[in-house]
Amino acid sequence: GEDVEQSLFLSVREGDSSVINCTYTDSSSTYLYWYKQEPGAGLQLLTYIFSNMDMKQDQRLTVLLNKKDKHLSLRIADTQTGDSAIYFCAETPDQGGKLIFGQGTELSVKP
Amino acid sequence: EAGVVQSPRYKIIEKKQPVAFWCNPISGHNTLYWYLQNLGQGPELLIRYENEEAVDDSQLPKDRFSAERLKGVDSTLKIQPAELGDSAVYLCASSLRLGEAETQYFGPGTRLLVL
Repeated sequence: GEDVEQSLFLSVREGDSSVINCTYTDSSSTYLYWYKQEPGAGLQLLTYIFSNMDMKQDQRLTVLLNKKDKHLSLRIADTQTGDSAIYFCAETPDQGGKLIFGQGTELSVKP
Repeated sequence: EAGVVQSPRYKIIEKKQPVAFWCNPISGHNTLYWYLQNLGQGPELLIRYENEEAVDDSQLPKDRFSAERLKGVDSTLKIQPAELGDSAVYLCASSLRLGEAETQYFGPGTRLLVL
């Protein structure tokens, strides 16, 4: 079945790198996404990666995809207090656009 | 460019009462989604529209939930009657296809509390 798993919490110090991990089950997923949710707000798309790519970099964000292990990670370089939020990974198991989300990782950045 | 607009932002009702949520997608986005987000969880799809047509409503509890998108633009999600377990955030999203990726943009959500 379709399932996406994430660790629930991550705490880092300002200026360090953060790595948020995600595993998924559906090998047919074409795209994998990372969304950010701040308190009381909707989800903001951060980045996405096509399933035939291993890595994608976008400014401070680096996405790594290990398709064999069905493992996705999001690295945030030079983490700032404004990066404190909940981060969701999501897969699209079919071409219809339905997103399957993990339960979210709460990132806490300490000054 | 305006994002996805939802109203109301907050709603408190007593159980067994009806409630309705409204969503206006980003202009030009023909695909609209309603998601349910329980506390501490990721969003789960309730229904997806392509223009006026509901193309995936398999997760919508049809005994009490209904949705419509009559003119293929804004949409309404209704619950009647509401139950305590319906307390959650209801998110609307609309999508734009960038190349092959279908990128979904979310509204701020409606927080529902059923007492």
